[in-house]
Amino acid sequence: ETAVFQTPNYHVTQVGNEVSFNCKQTLGHDTMYWYKQDSKKLLKIMFSYNNKQLIVNETVPRRFSPQSSDKAHLNLRIKSVEPEDSAVYLCASSRDFYEQYFGPGTRLTVL
Amino acid sequence: TQTVSQSDAHVTVFEGDSVELRCNYSYGGSIYLSWYIQHHGRGLQFLLKYYSGNPVVQGVNGFEAEFSKSDSSFHLRKASVHWSDSAVYFCAVIIYGGSGNKLIFGTGTLLSVKP
Repeated sequence: ETAVFQTPNYHVTQVGNEVSFNCKQTLGHDTMYWYKQDSKKLLKIMFSYNNKQLIVNETVPRRFSPQSSDKAHLNLRIKSVEPEDSAVYLCASSRDFYEQYFGPGTRLTVL
Repeated sequence: TQTVSQSDAHVTVFEGDSVELRCNYSYGGSIYLSWYIQHHGRGLQFLLKYYSGNPVVQGVNGFEAEFSKSDSSFHLRKASVHWSDSAVYFCAVIIYGGSGNKLIFGTGTLLSVKP
C-alpha cells in the first residue's frame, strides 16, 4: 500500500533546464527525506526536513534545493540540470527516523 | 565513523532454498542496523531493524537477521525463498552526528530466485 507519493514517475530533460519533483506522504510523519540512487543502485541521502526545518544537508550541489510547504510535502528542485544528475530520486518519510517509508521514485534522464 | 558493506553484489538461488545475505559494519559507537528490500522499479521497503536486546530479529515475509558484535555482522536470512523475493536488498546503519542523524546504505545485494 503506497503512502508516499511521488510525481512524476519519469522525466526527460536537457542540460541547463530546471526541474521540480513532488513528494507527499499521508502517514503523518514528521520527517521527510530525499535520496539519490545512481545507475549502480548506490543510495545517498541529499536532504531531510523535520517540521519544515532542514536538519540534514549533505554536500550536494547548490543547484539542488528542497522545498516544503508543510510536513506532508517535500519537493525537490534542480535549478540547472547536468548530465550527472541523471538518477532515480527517492522520497521517504519517517516518524522516528529509524524506519523510513519510501516512495516509488522519480527517474530523471538528462540529455 | 560507521559504515556498512555488503560483499556479495549478486546471489542466485532456487525457489525453496535457504539464503543468507551478508552485511558487515564498522563499529564507531551505538549501533543501529536495518535491512531494506527494493523490488525492480520500486522504492525501498523496510524489512527489520536491530538496536539492542535479542540479536536475532524477525522481519516481514519470513526474513530474519542476526546481529553479531564479535563478527561485526548483521546477516539477513530466509529459510525458504519464493520467486517474489527476487529484489535488491540493502543493509543500512545509522550515523549519529551533530548535523543530524543519517541512514547510510550499503551497496546492495541483488537476489535472484530461479523457479
